[in-house]
Amino acid sequence: DTAVSQTPKYLVTQMGNDKSIKCEQNLGHDTMYWYKQDSKKFLKIMFSYNNKELIINETVPNRFSPKSPDKAHLNLHINSLELGDSAVYFCASSQVRGSSEKLFFGSGTQLSVL
Amino acid sequence: KQEVTQIPAALSVPEGENLVLNCSFTDSAIYNLQWFRQDPGKGLTSLLLIQSSQREQTSGRLNASLDKSSGRSTLYIAASQPGDSATYLCAVTNNAGKSTFGDGTTLTVKP
Repeated sequence: DTAVSQTPKYLVTQMGNDKSIKCEQNLGHDTMYWYKQDSKKFLKIMFSYNNKELIINETVPNRFSPKSPDKAHLNLHINSLELGDSAVYFCASSQVRGSSEKLFFGSGTQLSVL
Repeated sequence: KQEVTQIPAALSVPEGENLVLNCSFTDSAIYNLQWFRQDPGKGLTSLLLIQSSQREQTSGRLNASLDKSSGRSTLYIAASQPGDSATYLCAVTNNAGKSTFGDGTTLTVKP
């Protein structure tokens, strides 16, 4: 039933490791996003994909690579994890056109890099 | 570059009070503005979305207004309840689909 689901909910890992977070939406939306919420709760967009095509890349380090196999999925792979990557990562989706579009968020993945 | 500011950062009120949360943005060329609620350890839930051509939206005890020319939006909560306690965020979206969020207002409604 969950509209936007992301896994895992918690991810604890060592510096230097590579990890992935998966996201799926069953709303039929065309656009998906990854957001990062830091320890101060500030939410910032990282990437936006529309129908598997990259639309927004907010100067995120190359270690972060989103992958969209189809428009219902947007996964986030992170290479060589650093301490500063610790944050909560949220996936979201919306319908691309029509100014009534709303953002629907997943419940977040809390990443802790030790 | 769009900047979104929310005032106050935190607000504590007794149950039953009406309250107003404020959001201001620097670039008035927006596509829409949304108000979200975030509970601790949870994702964001969209409360209200105001299109750039609209001035307000209402849902139950919530009313959001938008004044694009002055770069301001308010979220009015009537007859507040303890269950309203959460962090409220506003986000403005531009024509390219990029949303910029404010830092949020953490609301505590005391029984």
